[in-house]
Amino acid sequence: QAGLTQPPSVSKDLRQTATLTCTGNSNNVGNEGAAWLLQHQGHPPKLLSYRNNKRPSGISERFSASRSGNTASLTITGLQPEDEADYYCSAWDSSLSAWVFGGGTKLTVL
Amino acid sequence: QVQVVQSATEVKKPGASVKVSCKTSGYTFTTYLMHWVRQAPGQGLEWMGIINPSDGGTGYAQKFQGRVTMTRDTSTNTVYMELGGLTSEDTAIYYCTRETGGFEDWGQGALVTVSS
Repeated sequence: QAGLTQPPSVSKDLRQTATLTCTGNSNNVGNEGAAWLLQHQGHPPKLLSYRNNKRPSGISERFSASRSGNTASLTITGLQPEDEADYYCSAWDSSLSAWVFGGGTKLTVL
Repeated sequence: QVQVVQSATEVKKPGASVKVSCKTSGYTFTTYLMHWVRQAPGQGLEWMGIINPSDGGTGYAQKFQGRVTMTRDTSTNTVYMELGGLTSEDTAIYYCTRETGGFEDWGQGALVTVSS
């Protein structure tokens, strides 16, 4: 089934700002918005934001999400070494009646 | 606090079935939807389906229709995912996750290896 599109990799310097993107269509990101998850190697994913910019308890304000049309974005400010991980976006697709994920972006903090 | 604990690693032969469990605690089991997501080695996340613990209602990704069954046991606050007709392509970590608006609480994952 169709998924969301994420760049495979992004590299940024320590303490800089990274913006990750996730492109879908009007049936998913453009309709219901996107959620963002982070996954460190060997661990389950961790929810960072949902419904565009709601953060679960305990998630740093350095992570903020937004949406413009069919593209969702996750901005991470003040990059730290522990931010180095795989980042996934997800959204409900009303035409598929299914959740869809992006392929993931590997963020490297230099 | 919320806990989601999954069953252990399984090794299955092609053509067999596997049933993975996901035991929850720390909240009202019937209040939140549960999803199953899998991740093949070195790959991304793939949504498999959803179960409503309140009434047992399910919804499956088209890819798995006819091959997957999700159930729940309200007496033990446990959800189950059974996948049949296994092939090597089904080798993956299978996660259950509780939805609170997003996929907030995750099990530790259950590795299922399909090999002859």
